[in-house]
Amino acid sequence: GDSVTQMEGPVTLSEEAFLTINCTYTATGYPSLFWYVQYPGEGLQLLLKATKADDKGSNKGFEATYRKETTSFHLEKGSVQVSDSAVYFCALRDGQNFVFGPGTRLSVLP
Amino acid sequence: EAEVAQSPRYKITEKSQAVAFWCDPISGHATLYWYRQILGQGPELLVQFQDESVVDDSQLPKDRFSAERLKGVDSTLKIQPAELGDSAMYLCASSPLAGGPTDTQYFGPGTRLTVL
Repeated sequence: GDSVTQMEGPVTLSEEAFLTINCTYTATGYPSLFWYVQYPGEGLQLLLKATKADDKGSNKGFEATYRKETTSFHLEKGSVQVSDSAVYFCALRDGQNFVFGPGTRLSVLP
Repeated sequence: EAEVAQSPRYKITEKSQAVAFWCDPISGHATLYWYRQILGQGPELLVQFQDESVVDDSQLPKDRFSAERLKGVDSTLKIQPAELGDSAMYLCASSPLAGGPTDTQYFGPGTRLTVL
C-alpha cells in the first residue's frame, strides 16, 4: 500500500539556518504530494503542494520539488525563524486515498 | 477565509462514557474526513464521506465508533463507550473534490479528547 517516510526528529536549528526535512513515498499510482504544518494545540495547515513530477510547491519561504525518479518531496527553507517551530507532515494523495507521514518536529532557537 | 469548524475544542470524559464531536466543513465541500491523531504521530483516517455516503470506514472501530453526515453537510463522530486508549486529537478535514487533480484537504482545529 501507499506510505510516506520522513526523517526522524526532533530537528533543532539556530535562527537563519538552512532547513531540509526529507520525505520519500511509495505509491501505486501518480500521487499528489503535500506538506502540512501543525502548531502546538492546533489542526494541520496546508503549507505547499505539488500535483505532478518536477512541480515545485512554495509558500512562506518554504519549497519542495516533486522528484518522481527518487520518489521524494524534501522540504527546504533558506533561513528559518523562531516562528517556524512546529511539526511538519509530508502527505500524499493517491486517488481518494490520503496518507500522512509521522511528522518531524522542528525547533528553531533564537 | 472559510474554515472548517469543530466543537468542542477540548473534552474530558471518564471511560465507559459516551462522547460526541461535531464538524462543519467549508461550504460546498463534498468530501469530509475524520482523523485520529495520537500524540507524536501523524493523522490516521477513521472515516471518509462523499456527500452523505461513507466512502471509506475500514479503519473505524465500529464496535464503539460511529459517524454520520445525514444531510451531506455537517458531521458527528461518536464514541460509546470511551476507553483509555481513545485519548487523542480528533481532526476533521474537508475537500472540494475527492480524488480530483486539485484535491486538497483543509483541516479544522481539532478536538482534544482525554479519557480518565
